Amino acid sequence: DTGVSQNPRHKITKRGQNVTFRCDPISEHNRLYWYRQTLGQGPEFLTYFQNEAQLEKSRLLSDRFSAERPKGSFSTLEIQRTEQGDSAMYLCASRSDTGGHEQYFGPGTRLTVT
Amino acid sequence: GQNIDQPTEMTATEGAIVQINCTYQTSGFNGLFWYQQHAGEAPTFLSYNVLDGLEEKGRFSSFLSRSKGYSYLLLKELQMKDSASYLCAVRDEGYQKVTFGTGTKLQVIP
Repeated sequence: DTGVSQNPRHKITKRGQNVTFRCDPISEHNRLYWYRQTLGQGPEFLTYFQNEAQLEKSRLLSDRFSAERPKGSFSTLEIQRTEQGDSAMYLCASRSDTGGHEQYFGPGTRLTVT
Repeated sequence: GQNIDQPTEMTATEGAIVQINCTYQTSGFNGLFWYQQHAGEAPTFLSYNVLDGLEEKGRFSSFLSRSKGYSYLLLKELQMKDSASYLCAVRDEGYQKVTFGTGTKLQVIP
């Protein structure tokens, strides 16, 4: 197992465009998390899945953000009508109920909105 | 919700010991984590505490006092590669949401 993977690693888009990011968690990890991180800050929780069910979504997340995990494996995070304030690193992490307590993070997708 | 405080920056000398403190106020608590994050990289797990006391793992140790809402990460025999941000994070009850602090940027100097 090669760990959590995220694609693309970098994305540059113009304001107003839609973007979609993909996260492939570690195999058999049933819990998947999305975070956003800006420079000098810690990761900020966005949303969380247990298998295919989205169990919690940050109140800070606007309606422009949506996430899915249709078959309980990979997940996608879509941002509609991007704004310059959406520029950040988007991190995905996964965890197994049968493993340790820690989350394993992917390398992230760096989004730049121009 | 969670409120987590940790120093923004620290500097320490190679070979020395450094202690990074973290205080938190929570509406629910189910464990505290420390992660290390090198610039431009993803966070990597260092330690987990859910009961009071000290957990030791090689050069790194982590302490928790739930009654005081306080934790620290102790790094011994500092190496240059330990220069990184150290993130304190608290998990809510129910094993779900994890809230991260802003991180402490540690610089190790020769």
